[in-house]
Parts: sequence; C-alpha cells; structure tokens
Amino acid sequence: AQTVTQSQPEMSVQEAETVTLSCTYDTSENNYYLFWYKQPPSRQMILVIRQEAYKQQNATENRFSVNFQKAAKSFSLKISDSQLGDTAMYFCAFMIKAAGNKLTFGGGTRVLVKP
Amino acid sequence: EAQVTQNPRYLITVTGKKLTVTCSQNMNHEYMSWYRQDPGLGLRQIYYSMNVEVTDKGDVPEGYKVSRKEKRNFPLILESPSPNQTSLYFCASSLVGYAETQYFGPGTRLLVL
Repeated sequence: AQTVTQSQPEMSVQEAETVTLSCTYDTSENNYYLFWYKQPPSRQMILVIRQEAYKQQNATENRFSVNFQKAAKSFSLKISDSQLGDTAMYFCAFMIKAAGNKLTFGGGTRVLVKP
Repeated sequence: EAQVTQNPRYLITVTGKKLTVTCSQNMNHEYMSWYRQDPGLGLRQIYYSMNVEVTDKGDVPEGYKVSRKEKRNFPLILESPSPNQTSLYFCASSLVGYAETQYFGPGTRLLVL
C-alpha cells in the first residue's frame, strides 16, 4: 500500500520568515509524481507545486520550493518570506502511474502565519 | 470560467435519509473522483470514474454509490447515511493521463445526526 506521512500537525511562523513542512512517503513504484496542496479557510484545494520523481532538480514556484530526496522518500516544502495569506492546511500527496489519476494524501499540516 | 461545482455546500441530515451530492465540471474532463476529508487522515478516495458509464471503487467506498451517465456530472449517493459519514467531501476532475492536474470543487460539508 502507498502511504504519505506528515509528521507535523501544526506549525507557526512569523510573517516574512521561512517555514519547512516535512513529508515522507512509502511506495515500491519508481514512476510517480509528488504534490503539495494548500487548503485555506475557504476549504478550496489549491495546487502549490509538483515534482516528477525522475527529475533530480527540485521544483520551485515563487516563494515555494521543495527538497526532494528520492532515496529517503522525503518531499519537504519550504515557504519563504511567509505571508499572512499562507495561513492554511497543507497536504502532501503523490500519484503513481500504476494507479492512474488517484491521489494519495497525507494527514496535513496546519500552518499559521503570525503578524 | 473553468470550474468544478458541488451542491449543496452544506447539508445536515438524519441517519437513514437518502441524499445525493451533485458534482459538475465544465472542462470536458474524462476523469472524475470523490474524496472525503477527515481530521488527521487527509483526503481519501471514495469512487472514481475514467469516463461515462465507467466507475470503480477507491479506498473507502462502503456506504456510497456513484453514477456517471453524462461526462460532466458525477453525483455521490448516500443511500442510508450514518454518523460516520459526517465529513467534508470533495469532487475532482481531470483529463485522463498520468499526473494530469486535478481540479477540485469547493467541498460539501455533511453532518449526519
């Protein structure tokens, strides 16, 4: 079975500082994608960033970047220059080719950005 | 505007009273899926559909039914809701293809008394 673990239920960060969210996963597959989704208080699921397992270069989207360690099965998200609008639940997820379009999610990390 | 819509957004019901949550997308996506979100468990897939008349179980299908008679619609049916189905439900859609971006609806908050 494929599993995703987010070990930090909650984190807080001061505005303008950096916070890193951890995610580990377990799969025997070699062909997969990893994702981070943001869920603000509106509950909308918003794709933040994605990473293909075959790409060694870590993905970056503006203030969001990942540290992908394939051997360790780790996929952490770094939020730089945190803004109040980053306050949200963040979910790590992955998709294996053999499972089609199915996303497997972690339990989530709640991030609170303090002014 | 490309979007996935769900109705209702909020629903309070009683045990055993059949209900349907509708999901509709306007992006001509073949793939549609239902997830439920529970604290500490993230989102878990209930059912999915690869195309019209093609549906299959996800990880937590017990107590749910779906149908896909039209490409744009994928309703979730709870024939006899129970309190353990109190949850936040999301519909999602995408093109069929490995790692295609999934678009999520706004969520439906369901409380079963």
